[in-house]
Amino acid sequence: SQQGEEDPQALSIQEGENATMNCSYKTSINNLQWYRQNSGRGLVHLILIRSNEREKHSGRLRVTLDTSKKSSSLLITASRAADTASYFCATPPSGSARQLTFGSGTQLTVLP
Amino acid sequence: DGGITQSPKYLFRKEGQNVTLSCEQNLNHDAMYWYRQDPGQGLRLIYYSQIVNDFQKGDIAEGYSVSREKKESFPLTVTSAQKNPTAFYLCASSISSGDYNEQFFGPGTRLTVL
Repeated sequence: SQQGEEDPQALSIQEGENATMNCSYKTSINNLQWYRQNSGRGLVHLILIRSNEREKHSGRLRVTLDTSKKSSSLLITASRAADTASYFCATPPSGSARQLTFGSGTQLTVLP
Repeated sequence: DGGITQSPKYLFRKEGQNVTLSCEQNLNHDAMYWYRQDPGQGLRLIYYSQIVNDFQKGDIAEGYSVSREKKESFPLTVTSAQKNPTAFYLCASSISSGDYNEQFFGPGTRLTVL
């Protein structure tokens, strides 16, 4: 049961540029989370945004949430080569806030 | 990778064999999860457990089994009934209370069926 879908599937940028990834979901949610996965590793939680929030910042990360459009975006500013990873959005399926459904991810490559 | 360990890192299995993947956490989390990840794909939930001695099937439980006898441990057995078990397996945990829980992931086990 795919809830979130990221766009684009792959993104390649130069170091110092900004990277924007989008996530669309299908059902009502009470929160949306973004995770990062370095190649061959486990996922790391980046940020959680609640349904009553429109924007949230954490360091170089900026997340927005538009519940009317059922979409979220993750912006990484001033990207670095170390930001190269896959980024996933995750949402709780309807009726279960503690489980998460992950999208297929955006593969971000930051070129030095 | 926080306080979650998975072993082994790499596992090779012959067809028809059962194998057990280990997952241990020292975060005092009530909830634990097992996911499967195929190349270039997202995560799919196999099983989850909200509390000791209780677990629930996820989206792709067929061919897998779990146990939750201790809070710290949530082993996953991949049985011979799983048709295509070659994949990357990730274990995660979260605090069970509240509705806004981030999940903490282990480093994963890559299973290859020979």
